[in-house]
Amino acid sequence: QSALTQPASMSASPGQRITISCTGSSNDIGRYNFVSWYQQHPGRAPKLIIYGVSTRPSGISDRFSGSKSGNTASLTISGLQAEDEAHYYCSSYITSDSVVFGGGTKVAVL
Amino acid sequence: EVQLVESGGDLVQPGGTLRLSCAASGFTFSDYWMVWVRQVPGKGLEWVSRINPAGSFISHAGSVRGRFTVSRDNAGNSLYLQMNSLRAEDTAVYYCARDGPATGVDLDHWGQGTLVTVSS
Repeated sequence: QSALTQPASMSASPGQRITISCTGSSNDIGRYNFVSWYQQHPGRAPKLIIYGVSTRPSGISDRFSGSKSGNTASLTISGLQAEDEAHYYCSSYITSDSVVFGGGTKVAVL
Repeated sequence: EVQLVESGGDLVQPGGTLRLSCAASGFTFSDYWMVWVRQVPGKGLEWVSRINPAGSFISHAGSVRGRFTVSRDNAGNSLYLQMNSLRAEDTAVYYCARDGPATGVDLDHWGQGTLVTVSS
């Protein structure tokens, strides 16, 4: 199973909006509404910020939103803040015995 | 508070073995699927293994299948990863994570990770 495809890096100024894409196939993103997004700051463990394509866990800012169209999922960060500078990873459930991650996107706040 | 604490990471020679442990607390461990994920320093995340609450269903990524085995001890609230025939490419930080209650795989709590280095 190949990794999901994400842009390697993106940047934007504080207050702007940024959308990270995550492209898979009809076997993963296109088949299941089980896309998750994780935020990882340097030296820290990943943190779940979106699951089930668009659901935010308790305590996650509503500046983070998720969506899906066909084989591509997207994470949008609105009102970008300095603390949002991190790596972001998407993942998709494939079957009960397989999970696939994206290669990660480094977001820089200019 | 949910806590996951990994241990067992070490420097090991190619072909060697290692057993990682993950001590869980703050939730009913036996109710949750659990997952191992690894990350080569400076690189992305890679799913390694997954185990159901009863320990009766396990799965592994193709890159480790036949060499790694995930298991759990629900009485002791612990998750394990037995790693055999280790290779240089297994060098990574290994995280254990809880698979949340929603359908699908949503890793809602992670440990701090333990570093495995495979080198002669």
